[in-house]
Amino acid sequence: DAKTTQPPSMDCAEGRAANLPCNHSTISGNEYVYWYRQIHSQGPQYIIHGLKNNETNEMASLIITEDRKSSTLILPHATLRDTAVYYCIISTDSWGKFQFGAGTQVVVTP
Amino acid sequence: NAGVTQTPKFQVLKTGQSMTLQCAQDMNHNSMYWYRQDPGMGLRLIYYSASEGTTDKGEVPNGYNVSRLNKREFSLRLESAAPSQTSVYFCASSDHSSYNEQFFGPGTRLTVL
Repeated sequence: DAKTTQPPSMDCAEGRAANLPCNHSTISGNEYVYWYRQIHSQGPQYIIHGLKNNETNEMASLIITEDRKSSTLILPHATLRDTAVYYCIISTDSWGKFQFGAGTQVVVTP
Repeated sequence: NAGVTQTPKFQVLKTGQSMTLQCAQDMNHNSMYWYRQDPGMGLRLIYYSASEGTTDKGEVPNGYNVSRLNKREFSLRLESAAPSQTSVYFCASSDHSSYNEQFFGPGTRLTVL
């Protein structure tokens, strides 16, 4: 599975959009981009995933570049409860083994 | 629906002691996983079970054994605990659906002295 590169940390003001980048330059054509987040000490939580097209759900939007070498997770109106570590994961599997990197620590401030 | 439950929540062991971490899910999922998370790091896969009756090694299996007791339950055993196994252990489960949404338990904090 492709490796990912994420910034170690970023801050965001409450109510503003948070844009979290992820580089995955070695991604293969059949690999999906997954985003999970981990709120302090809890188990990770699924946010969204995509293959080629941009995706949106009730939690976030996922923008994947046309060459698929990078993506951006967008939290449209960040709240204090969005403070968490966000993981970008690349995987071919419809089930199975994820490789979690160190992720991005997002701190939402009032 | 309890989701994924883990017991115990906390445990302190002495070096060389053994213990079993229990995990159960009530979502009728086929696949189950054990991860460990060391301070400041992401999760690393220890073992996984694609379906009842099968288990496979993940990234860091040394020092651990697993048992897929039935479809609901997946246990992780430390036969002879070492300080390097001090970590938070997460169990997860997923279905063989069109995408890999894994559901995680609350974790077990293990300290080995």
